[in-house]
Amino acid sequence: NAGVTQTPKFQVLKTGQSMTLQCAQDMNHEYMSWYRQDPGMGLRLIHYSVGAGITDQGEVPNGYNVSRSTTEDFPLRLLSAAPSQTSVYFCASSSVPPTGRAEAFFGQGTRLTVV
Amino acid sequence: AQTVTQSQPEMSVQEAETVTLSCTYDTSESDYYLFWYKQPPSRQMILVIRQEAYKQQNATENRFSVNFQKAAKSFSLKISDSQLGDAAMYFCAYRWRSQGNLIFGKGTKLSVKP
Repeated sequence: NAGVTQTPKFQVLKTGQSMTLQCAQDMNHEYMSWYRQDPGMGLRLIHYSVGAGITDQGEVPNGYNVSRSTTEDFPLRLLSAAPSQTSVYFCASSSVPPTGRAEAFFGQGTRLTVV
Repeated sequence: AQTVTQSQPEMSVQEAETVTLSCTYDTSESDYYLFWYKQPPSRQMILVIRQEAYKQQNATENRFSVNFQKAAKSFSLKISDSQLGDAAMYFCAYRWRSQGNLIFGKGTKLSVKP
């Protein structure tokens, strides 16, 4: 009963480095999303996917890439990290149309610091 | 575009008292869901309560209840008998039925005084 598994929990990068945040869900949800959380800003959508092979941009997509090769996995890639990408990142999944309780399920979050 | 507004950046309540967190939203859709999520210092996003727009009855989960005013596009959260463990950031969120993404307010930080 893992739900949404997101790794790592913490990461420090130097400016210009690249990294991938991993996200996997075992609930067979079609919809997966990445959000970033900044103080006073709530959670803002970066990219989302409605199914394997289909991705789209959210509110703040610049500097991030995603792909969805399977229903389960939705990694987020930072190709060249910048200090402005210092944030807390959340992966989430949900069913569409809503089944059960309709809420999104979240990973544990990743605190990323870019120095 | 849909928006969610939480007008109270911070709130404080005495232990065992009642507090109400405000949320308003804007949408042209008629079929949607509203949620309150709690985020304690552990950073985990925890669902507190959900409301389906087509249900007129206000949702209730133990000490948590909502006042859903669809015409006014208002969705407030009432916490009764506040406990120290209720101290957290609370986010109001909207979801259109046909999409899986959530639109969040900026959050309200709730402090509980012993």
